[in-house]
Amino acid sequence: AQSVSQHNHHVILSEAASLELGCNYSYGGTVNLFWYVQYPGQHLQLLLKYFSGDPLVKGIKGFEAEFIKSKFSFNLRKPSVQWSDTAEYFCAAVIYNQGGKLIFGQGTELSVKP
Amino acid sequence: DADVTQTPRNRITKTGKRIMLECSQTKGHDRMYWYRQDPGLGLRLIYYSFDVKDINKGEISDGYSVSRQAQAKFSLSLESAIPNQTALYFCATSDRRGANTGELFFGEGSRLTVL
Repeated sequence: AQSVSQHNHHVILSEAASLELGCNYSYGGTVNLFWYVQYPGQHLQLLLKYFSGDPLVKGIKGFEAEFIKSKFSFNLRKPSVQWSDTAEYFCAAVIYNQGGKLIFGQGTELSVKP
Repeated sequence: DADVTQTPRNRITKTGKRIMLECSQTKGHDRMYWYRQDPGLGLRLIYYSFDVKDINKGEISDGYSVSRQAQAKFSLSLESAIPNQTALYFCATSDRRGANTGELFFGEGSRLTVL
């Protein structure tokens, strides 16, 4: 069965530190990949997405992610985090033409200390 | 106003009670979904509906039922709530393109506690 794995459950950083959150998926065919963010007390919002083309995608608020097909990975990065980035981050994948059934990773809680 | 609205936002109930969570959307999307979120498990799909007459089970549908009353409304019911159904429940929508690409729009969540 297809799955999405996030390696870190809780990451604690100081402001201005660099961030990289790992995400791996298990499917050999065409996938669409996403990072969603959930700020405290809020609903999930799309941070960025990869469908095809340039494997380095840029999202909102300075986030970017790199799709590495050979590693089945889609890691999220940000050069310098801010306190306002404190949130839970979910990696998700959908197999093309599978009706939007997103498969979510377990989530990574990011805490940024001021 | 939110495009995807869930009610109630918080509910505490007792084992054995029937609970309904409601979702309505103003995005005009034809596809709607119910997920539950549990710490350390991410979000898991309970049910999804492609239109009013098309309802499908997700990966964890046991103990739940749904009703698509109209294109804009999709309700989730727990016929006899049990404690391990304590979770945060999210409704989501997508249009047809979004259903193929995975772009969903989420409601703000309904936190359910079953004692």
